[in-house]
Amino acid sequence: EAQVTQNPRYLITVTGKKLTVTCSQNMNHEYMSWYRQDPGLGLRQIYYSMNVEVTDKGDVPEGYKVSRKEKRNFPLILESPSPNQTSLYFCASSLTGPATNEKLFFGSGTQLSVL
Amino acid sequence: QKEVEQNSGPLSVPEGAIASLNCTYSDRGSQSFFWYRQYSGKSPELIMSIYSNGDKEDGRFTAQLNKASQYVSLLIRDSQPSDSATYLCAVGSSNTGKLIFGQGTTLQVKP
Repeated sequence: EAQVTQNPRYLITVTGKKLTVTCSQNMNHEYMSWYRQDPGLGLRQIYYSMNVEVTDKGDVPEGYKVSRKEKRNFPLILESPSPNQTSLYFCASSLTGPATNEKLFFGSGTQLSVL
Repeated sequence: QKEVEQNSGPLSVPEGAIASLNCTYSDRGSQSFFWYRQYSGKSPELIMSIYSNGDKEDGRFTAQLNKASQYVSLLIRDSQPSDSATYLCAVGSSNTGKLIFGQGTTLQVKP
């Protein structure tokens, strides 16, 4: 089954404790992206990757890191989480990216709480 | 000014009516436009994409794009209670991999 898999689904952590949210897709997509969703603010893009070893900042990259060492994986790293990073996070992928009108496949989301 | 703007609603329509959802965007270089639907607690799912001026129809859904006015809309005909959800407008840049979402419009279809 074609899918984007995020883990974990729920995560509660404390300020300053490094964490990684994993994202993997099995569709051989070149484009992958991370979003956070907060009430009233919609989906905001954190980072995106057009291909392996190519990553770029979205609109809200501060406090986050990503890597794209393999085509299928695009982990989101919070080196020192803070309470303002409490949010619902979505990973998404598409074949070549948004400029070509392609459907974006979303993962199930990760609800992160930073205490 | 936000890059992609939507009225957050809620927009309430009776069952069987036409629901009209609107979105404006600020980047004139935008090339691709999307409408996603998101049920509470779920991931967004694509309803329609459009990239040229005019109307695009798919079943009960019609997307309309007017690049001169920087405006994209979604019409839902014969609205059903199952259409009650948040509708997200998304706009893609032709030069980057950025895909910018509006804050979403909550639609309520009342039986």
